[in-house]
Amino acid sequence: EVQLVQSGGGLVQPGGSLRLSCATSGFAFSFYAMSWVRQAPGKGLEWVSGITNGGGSTYYADSVKGRFTISRDNSNNTLYLQMYSLRAEDTALYYCAKGSGGGRPYYLDHWGQGTLVTVSS
Amino acid sequence: EIVLTQSPGTLSLSPGERATLSCRASQSVSGKYLAWYQQKPGQAPRLLIYGTSSRATGVPDRFSGSGSGTDFTLTISRLEPEDFAVYYCHHYDSSRTFGQGTKVEIK
Repeated sequence: EVQLVQSGGGLVQPGGSLRLSCATSGFAFSFYAMSWVRQAPGKGLEWVSGITNGGGSTYYADSVKGRFTISRDNSNNTLYLQMYSLRAEDTALYYCAKGSGGGRPYYLDHWGQGTLVTVSS
Repeated sequence: EIVLTQSPGTLSLSPGERATLSCRASQSVSGKYLAWYQQKPGQAPRLLIYGTSSRATGVPDRFSGSGSGTDFTLTISRLEPEDFAVYYCHHYDSSRTFGQGTKVEIK
């Protein structure tokens, strides 16, 4: 069974940093691209970032480019999102999601449970 | 940038009725890269349809997808109580855009 277990969310002040983790099991992690998608309270889905299976290519939404860094540890089957210079508008439930293939384009066939990031003073 | 516009915003229907949800792209997109997700309150999204019309594993056959170019449709042939949820379309090629969602609510 594919499992994506997220951790690392919380309350952070504007300008602060936070790292999200997504520990995976039940599939060959190193074969699949991964993404982060977020959902602001009461709003729709927004794609945030993606990474190919080997980690060689990364992609970001314009809204987070230069502030967020996606990475992966294929030896530990874990995906990360390092977030810097956080803003109030980054407040959202962040989901990690498994891609359908190793590189672009891919749909998201399994999702984590979500982790809440709140940016507030 | 491709924008996906879903309509209607809310669909009020009764169990057993047919639901037709629309997703319109701001420019023509390949149907190979159009997906639909279902999200229930307090839950993560769930993949329903990929490649415009292919059902994901375990998705009942009352869900079907169709369309091409700029116009795509998700149809639920007979609504079951568990189908009342929010549905998002997603273009997963270069833009990786989501539509804003359609809520299917009980009438």
